[in-house]
Formats: sequence, structure tokens, C-alpha cells
Amino acid sequence: DAGVTQSPTHLIKTRGQQVTLRCSPKSGHDTVSWYQQALGQGPQFIFQYYEEEERQRGNFPDRFSGHQFPNYSSELNVNALLLGDSALYLCASSLAGSGNTEAFFGQGTRLTVV
Amino acid sequence: QKEVEQNSGPLSVPEGAIASLNCTYSDRGSQSFFWYRQYSGKSPELIMFIYSNGDKEDGRFTAQLNKASQYVSLLIRDSQPSDSATYLCAVNSDTGNQFYFGTGTSLTVIP
Repeated sequence: DAGVTQSPTHLIKTRGQQVTLRCSPKSGHDTVSWYQQALGQGPQFIFQYYEEEERQRGNFPDRFSGHQFPNYSSELNVNALLLGDSALYLCASSLAGSGNTEAFFGQGTRLTVV
Repeated sequence: QKEVEQNSGPLSVPEGAIASLNCTYSDRGSQSFFWYRQYSGKSPELIMFIYSNGDKEDGRFTAQLNKASQYVSLLIRDSQPSDSATYLCAVNSDTGNQFYFGTGTSLTVIP
């Protein structure tokens, strides 16, 4: 049983560019959440997708957008990249109604903006 | 905005000792609390979660919750060098849709 998978694992982009990160949830999970983890910090909630809609959003600008597909996989898009967007981006999948007790994280995508 | 506070450490303990990790949270209405372990460059792994006041034990790990004091702790008994990692405390939102994380405590177990 595959866990949560993210791609790519590492990415280098230039300021102003756009990036798309991908996440496939654990089998049986229907909810995907995205977090940003800067170096030395705890993960910060970006948003959560359920039933192909954004269900909740954290304190991130509109440059951060996402999508969920019918197979529950998800994408995170970041436009107009800033140096401060350099971070580990984590995807967590869970089952709706589980209160996050079944939330599992993917291995993350390390984004470096130069 | 909920706040979750952890001592960033580093915390060093000798092999075989008890490691004690602490966390406080700001929202008195918080209901569920999680401890994650994160090795350098890796993603967080769930250790355990706790809802009720008191202790919850799972192997060498014990989570303790005191809602009146808004305090959560994690005890690691018989610490091993492989326990060396950053430990993240997380509080669930009211909707259960998001975690609020602390900055993590770095633990080093010395052989």
C-alpha cells in the first residue's frame, strides 16, 4: 500500500517563475492538505482540499493556489515566486471526519528559489 | 490564530535516560493534540495523539495532557540514539481540518 507520494522531491526555480507541486494521497484517503515548512520552523498550513474544492485556507497570499482531481490527487501552484517561498512543501492526506488522526505526510518537495 | 509554543532546544540526554519534551498552546478550546517526529530533511511522522486529560502510553512514549494548564508533554523512556530528531507538537483546529504546529524541539541522544 503506497503511502503519500509527492513529486518532484527537489526543485530549483528563479524568482518570478511559477511552480507546480504534486501529491497523491494514501489509498483510501479523500482529503489533501498542503503545508509550507521553512528551515527551522514548524509546518504552516496553506490549504486543504476535499471533494475537489478548497475547504479551508491558511494565511497565504493568492499566489498560492491548488486543485484536487477526481482521483483525490492534488496540485499546489505558486506564481511569481519569491526568495521567501524557498521551503519544504509537505502534503498530508487524511480521511474526512477522522479529525486528522489518520493524517500522513508525504516526503515533501524541497523548493529552492534563486 | 492559535499559538503553539515549544522550547527549540537543543535537548541532549544520555542513552537510556528519559527525554521530556514540552508544549503549551494558546487556545483553551483546543481538543486534540499530536506529537510528530521529524528527522533532518524528512517529513513528519506521527508518534501519537491525545484527546483526554492524563497520560497515554504507547511503547516507550507517553503523552501527557493538562487542559487546565494548556500543556502537553511527551516522555521518551529508555532513549536511543535513533530517537535523535526534531519533535513537533501540533494542535488540531476546531474544524479538524488543519494542524497548528510548534517550531519543534531538537533532541539529541548521546550514546
